[in-house]
Amino acid sequence: QSVLTQPPSVSAAPGQKVTISCSGSSSNIGSNYVSWYQQLPGSAPKLLISDNNYRPSGIPDRFSGSKSGTSATLGITGLQTGDEADYYCGSWDSSLSVVVFGGGTKLTVL
Amino acid sequence: QVQLVESGGGVVQPGRSLRLSCAASAFTLSRHVMHWVRQAPGKGLEWVAIISYDGDNTYYTASVKGRFTISRDNSKNTLSLQMNSLRPADTAVYYCAREGLAGHCSRTNCYLSGFDLWGHGTLVSVSS
Repeated sequence: QSVLTQPPSVSAAPGQKVTISCSGSSSNIGSNYVSWYQQLPGSAPKLLISDNNYRPSGIPDRFSGSKSGTSATLGITGLQTGDEADYYCGSWDSSLSVVVFGGGTKLTVL
Repeated sequence: QVQLVESGGGVVQPGRSLRLSCAASAFTLSRHVMHWVRQAPGKGLEWVAIISYDGDNTYYTASVKGRFTISRDNSKNTLSLQMNSLRPADTAVYYCAREGLAGHCSRTNCYLSGFDLWGHGTLVSVSS
């Protein structure tokens, strides 16, 4: 049981938009930054979004992040088959003094 | 090339020890908070430990506290994870990960922005 809650799976057609939610609490998302990671099959995770909504150099603007209260959302527009991957949210938890991750969301591009 | 390269994984019996290393290339390790993250076969990401710039402050996930020790040698640009009293539940790919430049940890808390660089991982298998 992960501290951050994500949907197990989402799917959409190529070219469409999808959002992935990440729900937490006041001690993690509510008071700390959220980051998002993409893990392609057989590969290490890669940072997509840091500091709630900052896109590192090289990450396409099709990827966006937002945060409101104790929830965060990753948005992906113009879906491509290459976007099929597992996506994870993460945040520091100030009460537990640990980093917490969501359980991961598998994106299928139909 | 900016990268992290883990080593030291392998097959080990329950109760034994293993030491993982992570070599940093083409950047100054001492400027970054560093993490270890693991992923059991077919499972999600699980954070393991964090260490501050100078090594003075460390935090661990509950399941490894007292058994694992994270450390760093900034002069050698190397991060380590000493794992003692290993259990089958510790079986996973272990990744070292770099925290962004804005991240930092004090004695009482951490302020983190995201893991901006990951190694390729090293597999640890605990089995009799």
